[in-house]
Amino acid sequence: DIQMTQSPASLSASLGETVTIECRASEDIYNGLAWYQQKPGKSPQLLIYNANSLHTGVPSRFSGSGSGTQYSLKINSLQSEDVASYFCQQYYDYTFGAGTKLELK
Amino acid sequence: EVQLVESGGGLVQPGRSLKLSCAASGFTFSNYYMAWVRQAPKKGLEWVATISTSGSRTYYPDSVKGRFTISRDNAKSSLYLQMNSLKSEDTATYYCARVLRIIPTYWYFDFWGPGTMVTVSS
Repeated sequence: DIQMTQSPASLSASLGETVTIECRASEDIYNGLAWYQQKPGKSPQLLIYNANSLHTGVPSRFSGSGSGTQYSLKINSLQSEDVASYFCQQYYDYTFGAGTKLELK
Repeated sequence: EVQLVESGGGLVQPGRSLKLSCAASGFTFSNYYMAWVRQAPKKGLEWVATISTSGSRTYYPDSVKGRFTISRDNAKSSLYLQMNSLKSEDTATYYCARVLRIIPTYWYFDFWGPGTMVTVSS
């Protein structure tokens, strides 16, 4: 099984700041990675697929990058509505990262 | 607008069974693989099952294989999850999700329902 290590587990940032969340796979996943946002009490919502493609309707301040075993999600100009947990998911055996809880400082 | 609405959750005793349903609308249900993903309280996400468009192929992780059965009724645009021999560790919110496949067994989830809570406890 492919293991996904996501960091940090929690993050506190100020409005307007840029934040980066990372996921590391235990082996090469060839860009087979998606990122999801889950707001408190809600279901997950797709943000990014194929490591760097923005899902329909997702604001352009979200972006994904990476290759091989290392991937990242960047949020530019943090907004209050971005307070949420974020999860990565690899396509091979569908495991998710443990999540990153993003809060406002 | 894609809509997925789960139902059937509740409190069930260990060893008993429960069947979840998901009503889909806003897209051609029969054209998509579908899946169930769960989330234990305050925990991360775990994929539970996926089914092909016709229902002829199903996929499960080892944690539920042999106990859970995913099925679908394309005429009713509905997805189901039959859960048998339930354990306390199956306690979670269960989400119905639409699957987008890149190649046959390589996929992600583009729309999710609001979820239904299952509590396994005596």
